[in-house]
Amino acid sequence: SQTIHQWPATLVQPVGSPLSLECTVEGTSNPNLYWYRQAAGRGLQLLFYSVGIGQISSEVPQNLSASRPQDRQFILSSKKLLLSDSGFYLCAWTGQNTEAFFGQGTRLTVV
Amino acid sequence: SQKIEQNSEALNIQEGKTATLTCNYTNYSPAYLQWYRQDPGRGPVFLLLIRENEKEKRKERLKVTFDTTLKQSLFHITASQPADSATYLCALPPSGGYQKVTFGTGTKLQVIP
Repeated sequence: SQTIHQWPATLVQPVGSPLSLECTVEGTSNPNLYWYRQAAGRGLQLLFYSVGIGQISSEVPQNLSASRPQDRQFILSSKKLLLSDSGFYLCAWTGQNTEAFFGQGTRLTVV
Repeated sequence: SQKIEQNSEALNIQEGKTATLTCNYTNYSPAYLQWYRQDPGRGPVFLLLIRENEKEKRKERLKVTFDTTLKQSLFHITASQPADSATYLCALPPSGGYQKVTFGTGTKLQVIP
């Protein structure tokens, strides 16, 4: 069966420090991969999505970047975190005409 | 671009009553529409999918309707329980030039005992 792993679950980072969040999917091939951010009490904000290795689409200009070095690996990065980068980050995948499966999420607090 | 609108205001409902949530979309003709549930601190979880040729879909106490003319889906929870309290999101699949899943902002449902 398919599973999605996202880590870490919580992260506290100082302003200006780098960030790397990793997401991996098992049990499927060529998934569409997504990174979302969710502010407290707000909806999902799509940050990046990828339909294949090396193919990244950015939804909003921001301090973050994404990479897909392998078919089932999706990484969210920042060189220097800002306070406004705090939030709940969710990785998700979809197949062809399937529902979206989400990771457990990462609660990021930039201090 | 395609847009989804859900009532961003929270919906409070008495236990035992039927909760009805609305999802409207524009600039799109989806082959299907999905509904998800999100609990605080967790990722959304898929509940139901309804296809464009289906008027209604049921799963236990859940019922979803899909009106492609009105470009609207309604999500009903009958005999609501406090455990149904959560945020419910609708989502449109990738289609045509849009390669991404599009989620609504969700409606927070609070079932009061």
